[in-house]
Amino acid sequence: TQLLEQSPQFLSIQEGENLTVYCNSSSVFSSLQWYRQEPGEGPVLLVTVVTGGEVKKLKRLTFQFGDARKDSSLHITAAQPGDTGLYLCAGDWAGNNRKLIWGLGTSLAVNP
Amino acid sequence: GAGVSQSPSNKVTEKGKDVELRCDPISGHTALYWYRQSLGQGLEFLIYFQGNSAPDKSGLPSDRFSAERTGGSVSTLTIQRTQQEDSAVYLCASSQLAGVSFFGPGTRLTVL
Repeated sequence: TQLLEQSPQFLSIQEGENLTVYCNSSSVFSSLQWYRQEPGEGPVLLVTVVTGGEVKKLKRLTFQFGDARKDSSLHITAAQPGDTGLYLCAGDWAGNNRKLIWGLGTSLAVNP
Repeated sequence: GAGVSQSPSNKVTEKGKDVELRCDPISGHTALYWYRQSLGQGLEFLIYFQGNSAPDKSGLPSDRFSAERTGGSVSTLTIQRTQQEDSAVYLCASSQLAGVSFFGPGTRLTVL
């Protein structure tokens, strides 16, 4: 069974702090996607990483794909209350975006 | 509309009743997915439609679950003889072939 483990499960921090969340697997993925989900909404794609070692930046968010394409991290600099939400990673092992393997998510609360 | 829409947004039903959940995908998207999201379980793939191909039903948890997609657009997920363990948020997503998935807001199903 292919699993994606996300850590930490919950994170509560103060505005302005930095944080890193992790997505780990023993499986190799052709690509990995990060989503943010807010209450009452569906997940919204933030980024897709494809190449081992790849680093992508989206404003204050930095995403990294491990060299072996088994793990990924999301680093947020100077967190804002608007960053609050559930961060999900999803791995595509088949290379066609079908039947993604999903992590359970990291629930982030950024307090003003 | 511009995004994926789902109805109803909330559904409360009694154990043993049948329910129908509707998804209107983004116009022109050939792929449509149904997922189930339960607390502590993450997103669980249910079924995948792609164009006129036979759907991938490998994620349906039991024969009480079925789905159809009419005219390559609107999809309906039907759950017969609902059980309490069916309570979850049911998410629909659509995409271009092998492209990024756009999620709807989900239907929260509560089985009493």
